[in-house]
Amino acid sequence: KNEVEQSPQNLTAQEGEFITINCSYSVGISALHWLQQHPGGGIVSLFMLSSGKKKHGRLIATINIQEKHSSLHITASHPRDSAVYICAARITQGGSEKLVFGKGTKLTVNP
Amino acid sequence: DAGITQSPRHKVTETGTPVTLRCHQTENHRYMYWYRQDPGHGLRLIHYSYGVKDTDKGEVSDGYSVSRSKTEDFLLTLESATSSQTSVYFCAISESLDRGRVNTEAFFGQGTRLTVV
Repeated sequence: KNEVEQSPQNLTAQEGEFITINCSYSVGISALHWLQQHPGGGIVSLFMLSSGKKKHGRLIATINIQEKHSSLHITASHPRDSAVYICAARITQGGSEKLVFGKGTKLTVNP
Repeated sequence: DAGITQSPRHKVTETGTPVTLRCHQTENHRYMYWYRQDPGHGLRLIHYSYGVKDTDKGEVSDGYSVSRSKTEDFLLTLESATSSQTSVYFCAISESLDRGRVNTEAFFGQGTRLTVV
């Protein structure tokens, strides 16, 4: 079982809709990242969270450490938001850390 | 943009040949990672490094080796390339959360598309 699970795998929305993508993890983490990958492949870091909530423009990321769960929300979605969204957990093991990724959520926003 | 570059960006090679991919960073970050990305699997960790000459295996390390002789470079070697290693390879860097640096984001290279024929 993957240590980081995302849902849904695919998501189609109409422009203007409120989007939620979920990420659950099964191990203790030091932080969680939300990433965006556009067609063409480049990966961009959107947020890094260790507690609470962060907001950047129309994007909001929340994390509940006790429940081992994080969500990425997009308000007033737009076709340019179409991308794959990936969560990645920073897992500490034996004094070092590694990034473990979910499989990604492919978001398509139609005009 | 973070200073992280991968080379080459594209490569076609024959089965059985050795291949080395390079990841170079100018951020002085401690951690460097190699991932492969395949349809249906997402990003899977091959190897990672937590310092010069300190490396560890990820979940899909068979057939790959790595070396990190200096902070800025992390090399991924396919010892004898196979068709199953056709993939897109991403390098990533991050810094320790406990080093007190402001910038603890993770950054990614642009990817290397490797085709083994």
